[in-house]
Amino acid sequence: NAGVTQTPKFQVLKTGQSMTLQCAQDMNHNSMYWYRQDPGMGLRLIYYSASEGTTDKGEVPNGYNVSRLNKREFSLRLESAAPSQTSVYFCASSEGIQPQHFGDGTRLSIL
Amino acid sequence: GQQVMQIPQYQHVQEGEDFTTYCNSSTTLSNIQWYKQRPGGHPVFLIQLVKSGEVKKQKRLTFQFGEAKKNSSLHITATQTTDVGTYFCAGPTGYALNFGKGTSLLVTP
Repeated sequence: NAGVTQTPKFQVLKTGQSMTLQCAQDMNHNSMYWYRQDPGMGLRLIYYSASEGTTDKGEVPNGYNVSRLNKREFSLRLESAAPSQTSVYFCASSEGIQPQHFGDGTRLSIL
Repeated sequence: GQQVMQIPQYQHVQEGEDFTTYCNSSTTLSNIQWYKQRPGGHPVFLIQLVKSGEVKKQKRLTFQFGEAKKNSSLHITATQTTDVGTYFCAGPTGYALNFGKGTSLLVTP
């Protein structure tokens, strides 16, 4: 009963490197989300996908791209990582505006 | 756009004391959701309130939704060390949720 699975759990990058954070859900949810969490800032929405084939910007989309690969998978890409993108990244899924289920998070450090 | 504000940002209590966190939205909400995040963990859904004036209880936790559906509160009676964590409220905006910044609760034995 996996729920929402995120990989990797930890990553250290150098400034300018690129990487993709992976997220998969097994609950057949239509909606998927990417958040970043910084101390004192709560959860800020980066991008979301209301349904397969659609993506929309959230509150803090700059420097990120997303791909809704299929109904199960929603990836987040950093093309050229910057120290300001050091954060904990959470993926979540839900059925519409119903309660969201979160993954365990990816702790990303950019040097 | 819609803003969801929570107070206080931090609360430190002695075990056995009560705790309350307040959530206010700049717009009327169709529902409000509460989540708990343990230190080092991920947010976990606690409850959803839908009706104006609704009150729901989960053991020592009492959740209220205001009459105008713009504010909500979470009250914990007789806190325990297991209540430690950050409590978030969230209101729907389109297909997404707008989270408050959370209230971090520390409970000292």
